[in-house]
Amino acid sequence: ELKVEQNPLFLSMQEGKNYTIYCNYSTTSDRLYWYRQDPGKSLESLFVLLSNGAVKQEGRLMASLDTKARLSTLHITAAVHDLSATYFCAGSGGGADGLTFGKGTHLIIQP
Amino acid sequence: DVKVTQSSRYLVKRTGEKVFLECVQDMDHENMFWYRQDPGLGLRLIYFSYDVKMKEKGDIPEGYSVSREKKERFSLILESASTNQTSMYLCASSPPPWGREAFFGQGTRLTVV
Repeated sequence: ELKVEQNPLFLSMQEGKNYTIYCNYSTTSDRLYWYRQDPGKSLESLFVLLSNGAVKQEGRLMASLDTKARLSTLHITAAVHDLSATYFCAGSGGGADGLTFGKGTHLIIQP
Repeated sequence: DVKVTQSSRYLVKRTGEKVFLECVQDMDHENMFWYRQDPGLGLRLIYFSYDVKMKEKGDIPEGYSVSREKKERFSLILESASTNQTSMYLCASSPPPWGREAFFGQGTRLTVV
């Protein structure tokens, strides 16, 4: 059974700083997803990482996948207030029950 | 764009009522899911379906049932609502094969009083 752990679960940081959110998973996952959720809203897909060494970037966010270490990271560069949200990673155990989600990282970026 | 639409954004129901949450997707996806989201617990899978009339229990099916009579529609039913079912409910769909990216509806915030 796939388990997904994110850390930290809560992060408060200042604008302009860099930080990384970590996502560890317990068994083989053939792909890894990152989602963003704004307060009171649904989940929006950010990145799909399909293979070892995959790196995707969108603006100030960059996601990477290391399947050997069973680790994905979401790196935030020069944070801005608009990036404040909850970020989820999710893996696929290959079964019909879809994706397994981490508990989410609640990110607050203060001016 | 994939669109997953949930019938209500907010619902308030009384304890003991039968509650229907409806979800419709327009991308002909085989797989559909219902999650509930609670603070500190993340997303928990209630039920999923990989075909019309097929349904499978997720991690927390107790107190819920589902119906999938048409490919595009997946309904979540609370047979007798209780206060501990107050939560945010999220519907999602994904194409085959299993484990593909899930697309989420806007969520229904249900309050049971």
